[in-house]
Amino acid sequence: DAKTTQPTSMDCAEGRAANLPCNHSTISGNEYVYWYRQIHSQGPQYIIHGLKNNETNEMASLIITEDRKSSTLILPHATLRDTAVYYCIVFAGGTSYGKLTFGQGTILTVHP
Amino acid sequence: GAGVSQSPSNKVTEKGKDVELRCDPISGHTALYWYRQSLGQGLEFLIYFQGNSAPDKSGLPSDRFSAERTGGSVSTLTIQRTQQEDSAVYLCASSYSQGLDGYTFGSGTRLTVV
Repeated sequence: DAKTTQPTSMDCAEGRAANLPCNHSTISGNEYVYWYRQIHSQGPQYIIHGLKNNETNEMASLIITEDRKSSTLILPHATLRDTAVYYCIVFAGGTSYGKLTFGQGTILTVHP
Repeated sequence: GAGVSQSPSNKVTEKGKDVELRCDPISGHTALYWYRQSLGQGLEFLIYFQGNSAPDKSGLPSDRFSAERTGGSVSTLTIQRTQQEDSAVYLCASSYSQGLDGYTFGSGTRLTVV
């Protein structure tokens, strides 16, 4: 059962902001939203996570709606090296064991 | 080490042979995970180790698959009597405790069964 829904693919021009949406309408109160990305032939790379407040780090920003049923990952100035598959995951952590369930993700292509 | 190390990076084996895949997690990470990724597919959970607790083996696809983690550090995933459908990239990840700080993945072992 898919806990998150993401578009299959998106394009973005280099230097522009890439906004990747994710729906997680059945998210529970103790579940966090995590984002990972996987560049070709590499293992997934952690990007950012949040519970209900918006978060920002050196890689990206995460905007979570007030009802927590959806979120958007923002890459503020996309580069060609940001071309990857982006995975949105909900995960309880805490006292729950840490099995991440990955869906199909969004293939982001950044073009010149 | 600085990251999660997996070996070998590539493995080609004949159908019916046994293979062992190794994962060295980040020092101090108590949780270790194995995932499998087939061509063009998402990540499939295989097994999870957390400290001294019994591992969660719910993702292992058959009894030909087994894994162990010695001394709470290095882990070995063993596939017996390999089949062609076992061909995939096997990824290992580690994290502190329940992983709230995110997981660190290795680069994977690409297994090809011929």
